[in-house]
Amino acid sequence: GAGVSQSPSNKVTEKGKDVELRCDPISGHTALYWYRQRLGQGLEFLIYFQGNSAPDKSGLPSDRFSAERTGESVSTLTIQRTQQEDSAVYLCASSLAGSGEQFFGPGTRLTVL
Amino acid sequence: SQQGEEDPQALSIQEGENATMNCSYKTSINNLQWYRQNSGRGLVHLILIRSNEREKHSGRLRVTLDTSKKSSSLLITASRAADTASYFCATVRNSGNTPLVFGKGTRLSVIA
Repeated sequence: GAGVSQSPSNKVTEKGKDVELRCDPISGHTALYWYRQRLGQGLEFLIYFQGNSAPDKSGLPSDRFSAERTGESVSTLTIQRTQQEDSAVYLCASSLAGSGEQFFGPGTRLTVL
Repeated sequence: SQQGEEDPQALSIQEGENATMNCSYKTSINNLQWYRQNSGRGLVHLILIRSNEREKHSGRLRVTLDTSKKSSSLLITASRAADTASYFCATVRNSGNTPLVFGKGTRLSVIA
């Protein structure tokens, strides 16, 4: 069956440019999560959606980061005025209500030059 | 800040040996999960153990949870080269949909 998909798989951008990362969760999964993973590190929570609303935005590192979700489906993570420290793999996950287990996409590797 | 800390950071064993990885966490939890990550990309869920459970098995995996010590261990028996990956523990502090809090992971290398 279809899993969580993310696009693009790789993105190289210049410092100062804006980027949009997309996540398509598993159909029917009400919860959607964004994480960031720097090289050799664990996952860092960014933001979480329940339906189309975001009860927890506590992980967003700065106001350059924003995310939205529409139709209780697709989510977009936007990073404005990218900096070199934004370089990381951005992982999206989704889960059924109350299940605990999260299903991860393959990630988007962002490189800011 | 990260909730879980895995130990060791890296582990190298021969094929056929058992691999044990430990995880410690700081706050009370609803459940603890172990994930595997190959090549720094998507994570695969391995096993979930609830706070009222002490041990759980799934195939060659055995997970224990000691809530009094705030620790968990993952045992992989009869390891294979294909088990080479990074293993992360992740905790859920509240019930339902809340973000996972990950440790930094243990990098396991299984040598054929």
